[in-house]
Amino acid sequence: DAGVIQSPRHEVTEMGQEVTLRCKPISGHDYLFWYRQTMMRGLELLIYFNNNVPIDDSGMPEDRFSAKMPNASFSTLKIQPSEPRDSAVYFCASNQGYSNQPQHFGDGTRLSIL
Amino acid sequence: KQEVTQIPAALSVPEGENLVLNCSFTDSAIYNLQWFRQDPGKGLTSLLLIQSSQREQTSGRLNASLDKSSGRSTLYIAASQPGDSATYLCAVRGNTDKLIFGTGTRLQVFP
Repeated sequence: DAGVIQSPRHEVTEMGQEVTLRCKPISGHDYLFWYRQTMMRGLELLIYFNNNVPIDDSGMPEDRFSAKMPNASFSTLKIQPSEPRDSAVYFCASNQGYSNQPQHFGDGTRLSIL
Repeated sequence: KQEVTQIPAALSVPEGENLVLNCSFTDSAIYNLQWFRQDPGKGLTSLLLIQSSQREQTSGRLNASLDKSSGRSTLYIAASQPGDSATYLCAVRGNTDKLIFGTGTRLQVFP
């Protein structure tokens, strides 16, 4: 089991640029979650999908953020245009079923917007 | 709105001590509670998951208890080791289908 795979691990870019974060969930998992972690706000859920369909995107901070899941093995989180306050660690997690199964996290993407 | 608090925020102990980490939540209407471990530069690893109908779960030297009515959970670590050094987070799932995380307890176990 390869676990949840995220890329890139680190991203440094200038303000205003488009940023795309990628996630490959564990095979067979039907739920996928995107989180953001900062020192000030801790771990926040941005959006989650069930069977590739977005279920709740109320945590997405602004219209600059968008997420897609074109198939069961791939998801993207895009920020356009990026701003310095978007700097954070972004995690992807997946699980099979939801209510009684633990979530498996990727190692995250550390994003720095200059 | 569910709020999750963890105390203490940081803890430094010598190897061999038994530890108790605390987690409290404001809304007792939860489906489950999970304890995670996070190592520096890494994602979260699920340690224990307690369903709302359960009182405790055990895995090796770890024991997590849940008192839903009082909005509390504790993570007990027996005979702590330097390898236990990490940040420990608890998270609750309520009827909104979201995991709400606490801010974590940073644990350091020194030899």
